[in-house]
Amino acid sequence: QVQLQESGPGLVKPSETLSLTCTVSGGSVSSGSYYWSWIRQPPGKGLEWIGYIYYSGSTNYNPSLKSRVTISVDTSKNQFSLKLSSVTAADTAVYYCARVFVRQHFGVVVTAHNDYWGQGTLVTVSS
Amino acid sequence: DIQMTQSPSSLSASVGDRVTITCQASQDISNYLNWYQQKPGKAPKLLIYDASNLETGVPSRFSGSGSGTDFTFTISSLQPEDIATYYCQQYDNLPRLTFGGGTKVEIK
Repeated sequence: QVQLQESGPGLVKPSETLSLTCTVSGGSVSSGSYYWSWIRQPPGKGLEWIGYIYYSGSTNYNPSLKSRVTISVDTSKNQFSLKLSSVTAADTAVYYCARVFVRQHFGVVVTAHNDYWGQGTLVTVSS
Repeated sequence: DIQMTQSPSSLSASVGDRVTITCQASQDISNYLNWYQQKPGKAPKLLIYDASNLETGVPSRFSGSGSGTDFTFTISSLQPEDIATYYCQQYDNLPRLTFGGGTKVEIK
């Protein structure tokens, strides 16, 4: 059974960089069928896709966050990480890591969905 | 960018009722549409992928339909354990995955 676990500081000061790590067990971040994503949810609000990374290092980010987001992968530790720079109170949220199952046929995506999720971690931006 | 309009934003129904949630895309997305259930304090859970495919282990009272721009999620007989917020998610060929606004389902 695949499990994902987020870790990192629960409190970040405004203007600083939020850093989180997702540790994967029961599966490998190097598996070619999956992307590894971050999703967040401000308190009482809906879900926002942040972006994902493939084991090769290729990434795709939400255009609204792209200038501040970096997602990286460490295959030796079976982990992937999120950095969000210049945070403000609006970045306060529960941050989830999640696996994306993707299947392609001749370069065309035929399915993509988040099949396994971490439990989420609350990050508060406050001085 | 493709916009997803999910409705209603909340609903109240009785146990045993049929519940329907809709998601409308701003342009044709074929069947690139998933549905998730999120219970309070928990991570979302995949219920339906590719518009109509039931994820393994999900009760058959949950179903999805639609293609193009209009999609429907149905609970055929609402159960107390179905109290949650439901989200649609569309994806494109990159793929980018974006969520609808959510529908909170409560028991009347």
